[in-house]
Formats: sequence, structure tokens, C-alpha cells
Amino acid sequence: GDSVTQMEGPVTLSEEAFLTINCTYTATGYPSLFWYVQYPGEGLQLLLKATKADDKGSNKGFEATYRKETTSFHLEKGSVQVSDSAVYFCALGASTGFQKLVFGTGTRLLVSP
Amino acid sequence: DTEVTQTPKHLVMGMTNKKSLKCEQHMGHRAMYWYKQKAKKPPELMFVYSYEKLSINESVPSRFSPECPNSSLLNLHLHALQPEDSALYLCASSQDRTGYNEQFFGPGTRLTVL
Repeated sequence: GDSVTQMEGPVTLSEEAFLTINCTYTATGYPSLFWYVQYPGEGLQLLLKATKADDKGSNKGFEATYRKETTSFHLEKGSVQVSDSAVYFCALGASTGFQKLVFGTGTRLLVSP
Repeated sequence: DTEVTQTPKHLVMGMTNKKSLKCEQHMGHRAMYWYKQKAKKPPELMFVYSYEKLSINESVPSRFSPECPNSSLLNLHLHALQPEDSALYLCASSQDRTGYNEQFFGPGTRLTVL
């Protein structure tokens, strides 16, 4: 079945550092890929999405490119802020029919001043 | 309006109580979802409603009973819960139930079962 693998956390960075959170997936067909962010005590917020190969999703300085050849959707940000401290989930949705949204295990990001 | 609202924000209940969680969206979405999230884990799907009909039940115990009164509202009725049911309960909605469409999540209800 479909699956998503994320790098283990926590990822600890200083403010203004470069961020990469790795995400790879296994799926049949051409899934949609998502990054969600969950701040402490809150629900999940959609951060960005990509629906086909070579699409780049971007939002709030975060970017991720749908790489079909490497089955990856790595999240990047050039300069993190303390306010970016949260848990980040990579997720996959089937392109046709319904399959439940498949989440990675989540990566906690801690940014210190 | 791209918001999914949930009430209450926090709920404490005993094992013999009956309570309900409520979820509302006004985005015209036709699919709505209930998820359960334990600490430091991703959300686990419980139920999917598509066009106000129960589409998927992920083998959830009958002490959880979902209801979709109309296209904007989703309830989760709780009865005779166990302490291990304590978790964050998230509601979500999407344009339809195909995986192509992103799901929008509410802030969740933090449930504690004593």
C-alpha cells in the first residue's frame, strides 16, 4: 500500500538557519502530495501542496518540489524563525478514487533564538 | 471563509457520560472527516462522510457514533468511553473525498476520559 517516510526528529536549528525536512513516498499512480504543519495545541494547517511531477508548492517561505524520479517531496525554507517551531507532516492523497490521506510520522522542528 | 470550527475546545468526561463533539464548515465542501490524534503521532482516520452519507468507518468502536445532520455540520457522539480514548479529535473537510483535494482541519477538541 501507499506509504510516506519522514526523517526522524526533532530537528533543532538556530534562527535564520536553512531548513530541510526529508519526505519520500511509495504510491501507485500519481498521488497529490501535501505538507501540513501543527503548532502546539492546535489542529493541522495545510502548508503547501503539489499535484503532479515537477510542481513546486510554496507558502510562507516554505517550498517543496514533487520529484517523481526520486519519489520525494522535501520541505525547505531558507531562513527559519522561532515561530516556525512546530510539527510538520508530509502526506499523500491518491489521484483517483478515495484512499485515506496517508501521513508520515511527523517531524518536530525546534528553532532557538 | 476557509475555516473549520470545532466545539468544545476541551472536554472532560467520565466513562458513564454521554457527550457530543461538533464540527462546522461553510466552504461548500461535500466530504467531512473525523480523526483521532494521540500525542506525538499523526492523525488516524475514524470516519468519512461523503454527500452527508457515511462512506468509511475505519473499524471504530460503537461507543463513537458519527452523525451528519446537513452538508455543513458533523457531530461525533460519545458514550461509555474508556481512558485510552483520551486524545485530540480533529474534524476536517474537503471539496470531495478524492485524495487529489486537500483537507482543511479544525483546531480540534482535546478530550480527557476519567
